[in-house]
Amino acid sequence: DGGITQSPKYLFRKEGQNVTLSCEQNLNHDAMYWYRQDPGQGLRLIYYSQIVNDFQKGDIAEGYSVSREKKESFPLTVTSAQKNPTAFYLCASSIELGRHVGYTFGSGTRLTVV
Amino acid sequence: GNSVTQMEGPVTLSEEAFLTINCTYTATGYPSLFWYVQYPGEGLQLLLKATKADDKGSNKGFEATYRKETTSFHLEKGSVQVSDSAVYFCAPGDSNYKLTFGKGTLLTVNP
Repeated sequence: DGGITQSPKYLFRKEGQNVTLSCEQNLNHDAMYWYRQDPGQGLRLIYYSQIVNDFQKGDIAEGYSVSREKKESFPLTVTSAQKNPTAFYLCASSIELGRHVGYTFGSGTRLTVV
Repeated sequence: GNSVTQMEGPVTLSEEAFLTINCTYTATGYPSLFWYVQYPGEGLQLLLKATKADDKGSNKGFEATYRKETTSFHLEKGSVQVSDSAVYFCAPGDSNYKLTFGKGTLLTVNP
């Protein structure tokens, strides 16, 4: 079955460390997205990618970085510059970038700073 | 830019009660409108969608009608079940060719 796989499900990071969250899709979707979810704040867009080798900042990109070297993969690195990284991170994809296109979501990664 | 306003939760209902979760949005043109559901500890799943004015999206007993004149897309279900307990997100398409997500409404259904 096609879908999006996020790993790991739980991740613990020490202060000052960079960590990378994995997102892989086998839906043949061109567009991919990373969201951060905090209690009571809904979803906030971190980065998105319309196509391979292209990505754009979202609303809260500071302290994060991404790459899109393959169509299937869109890893997110949470750097030490991100001051409050503890959150639930969601990856999504869509067949293309557009206002009429639904998204498919992964099951999320919960990141905790210890 | 575009925005979406969802009814604030939490919403607590008894089983078999009627559910309405209000959603209004601002948008240019005619975006598609979506409702997503998130069960505890999981990602979001598409619940239903509508692509043009007066369209009604429906799935699993949930319905929502695209009201262009009131820029609304309220979610309804006639008889909720305990298994419907989740967070519901309204998401209109925006002018930047992405979806804008509301803050979510937590629904708890008691037996």
